[in-house]
Amino acid sequence: EIVMTQSPATLSLSPGERATLSCRASQSVNRNVAWYQHKPGQAPRLLIFGASTRAPGVPSRFSGSGSGTDFTLTISSLESEDFAVYYCQQHDLGPPWTFGLGTKVEF
Amino acid sequence: QVQLQGSGPGLVRPSETLSLTCTVSGYAMSTYYWSWIRQSPGKGLEWIGHVYYTGTTTYNPSLKSRINISVDTSKSQFSLKLASVTAADTALYYCARNRGSGVRDYFDYWGQGILVTVSS
Repeated sequence: EIVMTQSPATLSLSPGERATLSCRASQSVNRNVAWYQHKPGQAPRLLIFGASTRAPGVPSRFSGSGSGTDFTLTISSLESEDFAVYYCQQHDLGPPWTFGLGTKVEF
Repeated sequence: QVQLQGSGPGLVRPSETLSLTCTVSGYAMSTYYWSWIRQSPGKGLEWIGHVYYTGTTTYNPSLKSRINISVDTSKSQFSLKLASVTAADTALYYCARNRGSGVRDYFDYWGQGILVTVSS
């Protein structure tokens, strides 16, 4: 089973700042990583799949990059609605597909 | 717009069976896989298993002996049964739609989650 490790656990930033979230896989997952945004009491929202493809309706300030074992989600300029927990998921080798423990982006 | 709505009891007694149902609206269930995913307190997300619209299932090996997932396309529903629950099964349970072919899947639509507590 592939282990996904996210860092940092918490990112304290202000609106307008750039957020850089990291995700590392325990073995190569090629470019098959998805990112989700999760706010309390809401359904998780798919942001990115295939490492860098934005899901329909996702703002362009969200971008993903990486391949192999190291991946990054970047939010170019944080808006108030972006403060949430973000999870990465490998969708290369499964099932079972596996998720990271999350990075909380807080104000 | 695809919507998933989970339902089921919020409290289950230890050793009993947890039963949840997810109702899908806005899109036909055919040609997709449908998953259950959970998040235990203080832990990350764990994929439990999925069902294809034909009824074919795949389960997480860590839970395989206790799980049954079924589908009823006539009702646009799929269901999870988890047997012999313990406190470790206390979690937020999500239903979700797979995008992929059952091999390289991610999840494009999720329900809001059902909090299930295992306690006597």
